[in-house]
Amino acid sequence: RKEVEQDPGPFNVPEGATVAFNCTYSNSASQSFFWYRQDCRKEPKLLMSVYSSGNEDGRFTAQLNRASQYISLLIRDSKLSDSATYLCVVKTDSWGKLQFGAGTQVVVTP
Amino acid sequence: DVKVTQSSRYLVKRTGEKVFLECVQDMDHENMFWYRQDPGLGLRLIYFSYDVKMKEKGDIPEGYSVSREKKERFSLILESASTNQTSMYLCASRLRAGVAYEQYFGPGTRLTVT
Repeated sequence: RKEVEQDPGPFNVPEGATVAFNCTYSNSASQSFFWYRQDCRKEPKLLMSVYSSGNEDGRFTAQLNRASQYISLLIRDSKLSDSATYLCVVKTDSWGKLQFGAGTQVVVTP
Repeated sequence: DVKVTQSSRYLVKRTGEKVFLECVQDMDHENMFWYRQDPGLGLRLIYFSYDVKMKEKGDIPEGYSVSREKKERFSLILESASTNQTSMYLCASRLRAGVAYEQYFGPGTRLTVT
C-alpha cells in the first residue's frame, strides 16, 4: 500500500468553478503536511503547508483530518493558470523525510 | 531566490554505461536529495545528503550511488545503466532539517536508457 494516495484525476473544472480533492496517508505518526504544485514538464513547487486547524491562502483552502488520515485542497474561482498537478506531501519523521503522492491533475477549461 | 540547477534536461544513454547526473544549488543549503519520478508512482527518494561528504540511502537506492564533495554540489551516479532506470530525475535542496522543511527542486533530467 502506498504511504500517500491521491485520485489521479483529471478533474476537469470550468473557469470560475470550485474544485476539491483529497489525499489519504497511511502513517498515523505523520507530522506535517504540504501541497506542492507541478506544472506540465516543470519541477514541483511548494503551494502551501497544511495546518491542523485548516488554512487559506487566497483562493486555496487546505484541511487536515487526523482521525481519518486525509488532507484536502479546495480551489475557489478556478483560473486557467490553476491547471497543474497537485502533489500531496507528508513529512513522516523528525528528520523531515517527505513522502509524495503521485498527484491529482486539475484541468481548468474556458 | 533559491536556484537549483541540473546538468542536463535530457539525456540518452546505452545499457551498461556509467551515467553522472549533477545538481548544484546556490543558497548554501545543507540538505540535498535525489528523486526519480515515474507516472503513477510519484516522487521516490533515491539518496539524500544532510551535509558535505554525508549520504544516506532513500527508499530505492539499488543501482545508484551519490557523491557530495562540496556543499553546493550533489551528484547521482548510475554505475551501469539499465532500461528500468529510464525516468525523470529530480534534485532538491533544503536549508536544514528542524529549521525549514520546504524543498526546492531543480528542473529535472529526463534520462532514457536504450
